[in-house]
Amino acid sequence: NAGVTQTPKFRVLKTGQSMTLLCAQDMNHEYMYWYRQDPGMGLRLIHYSVGEGTTAKGEVPDGYNVSRLKKQNFLLGLESAAPSQTSVYFCASTPGTLRNIQYFGAGTRLSVL
Amino acid sequence: GNSVTQMEGPVTLSEEAFLTINCTYTATGYPSLFWYVQYPGEGLQLLLKATKADDKGSNKGFEATYRKETTSFHLEKGSVQVSDSAVYFCALSDLTNAGKSTFGDGTTLTVKP
Repeated sequence: NAGVTQTPKFRVLKTGQSMTLLCAQDMNHEYMYWYRQDPGMGLRLIHYSVGEGTTAKGEVPDGYNVSRLKKQNFLLGLESAAPSQTSVYFCASTPGTLRNIQYFGAGTRLSVL
Repeated sequence: GNSVTQMEGPVTLSEEAFLTINCTYTATGYPSLFWYVQYPGEGLQLLLKATKADDKGSNKGFEATYRKETTSFHLEKGSVQVSDSAVYFCALSDLTNAGKSTFGDGTTLTVKP
């Protein structure tokens, strides 16, 4: 009954370092999303995927890259971290049916010093 | 494009008080409407939903009615508890938009004993 799992839960980076955030879902969902959540700014969509092997840009894609090599996994990469990328990152998935309920992971808290 | 505007917070209530959090939306199609709740340190989870005009979503004592004429989906609860303290997000989803959801900025509710 895992649902959407994000790893790691916490990470501290220095400016210029790179890292990959992993999102895994076991619900056979077609669509997956990466958001960032900042105080007073709600959720902003970074990138999303409508199926294995496909990705698309969201509202705030700059500085991030993504890959969806397997249906159950959606990776978010930061090639050269900047302090402006300090945030809480959430992954979500949805089956893409009429209901379109999004299922969220517990989040990754990232600090870039 | 689609947008969601919800009541600014924070909202502080005493236990057993009546709660209303206003939410209005703008959408080009016929969206589904949702309320999500986020407890401290967790991801968002679905609280309730409505998929067509005049539908009422309800869960855990919370209710919201899809009002197409006023483009609103206000969240209500007759008697709040301390355990309802959380951040509440109103959201809409449009099937024509790659299953993406548009979220409001969130309203923080604190219930005091």
